[in-house]
Amino acid sequence: GAVVSQHPSWVICKSGTSVKIECRSLDFQATTMFWYRQFPKQSLMLMATSNEGSKATYEQGVEKDKFLINHASLTLSTLTVTSAHPEDSSFYICSAMGLAGGGLTGELFFGEGSRLTVL
Amino acid sequence: AQSVAQPEDQVNVAEGNPLTVKCTYSVSGNPYLFWYVQYPNRGLQFLLKYITGDNLVKGSYGFEAEFNKSQTSFHLKKPSALVSDSALYFCAVRGFSGGYNKLIFGAGTRLAVHP
Repeated sequence: GAVVSQHPSWVICKSGTSVKIECRSLDFQATTMFWYRQFPKQSLMLMATSNEGSKATYEQGVEKDKFLINHASLTLSTLTVTSAHPEDSSFYICSAMGLAGGGLTGELFFGEGSRLTVL
Repeated sequence: AQSVAQPEDQVNVAEGNPLTVKCTYSVSGNPYLFWYVQYPNRGLQFLLKYITGDNLVKGSYGFEAEFNKSQTSFHLKKPSALVSDSALYFCAVRGFSGGYNKLIFGAGTRLAVHP
């Protein structure tokens, strides 16, 4: 099946630094990618939807200047947590929707997630 | 507004017994429904989906789900549970807002299968 690779799996950083998380679709072209955040023992919260070559669409309450999303190619989207603080510590998961089939009649393919810990 | 409810935080089942993880949904129009499983510190894995057709959908790892339009439910089932099925299960429905289709997830149900 389709594979989505997310890197890094784990990252620890100091407060005030920026962290970049990459999401790659390895064997298909992803016109749309979604970024989720998951708190311990909670569901996934959609942060933003990114489309290749255009600005991301952020969900209500998500700071776009805090969580920078770039979708520069059909196989790569990045999430940068800027000036990270301890409250940004979380599990971030990306997912990708392929070109074939259109819309969401097909399943999303998820990355393995990135656990961010801000000290 | 589209929404998904998973009424049980946790389901406990003995190995070999049948299991059911409940999901109800609210959506205008025909629903597109999905089940995903998440193991600790991992992303989500697709199990099955209902788009149209037979109400009983068969998916990965022996799981199946039954779409019930009158009860707006899409319960996940397996005839005989395995300890390795222990994980977090999410039901999702396709929604549309802000100009995009997107998946709306339930809160998740933790399945614990005991030997």
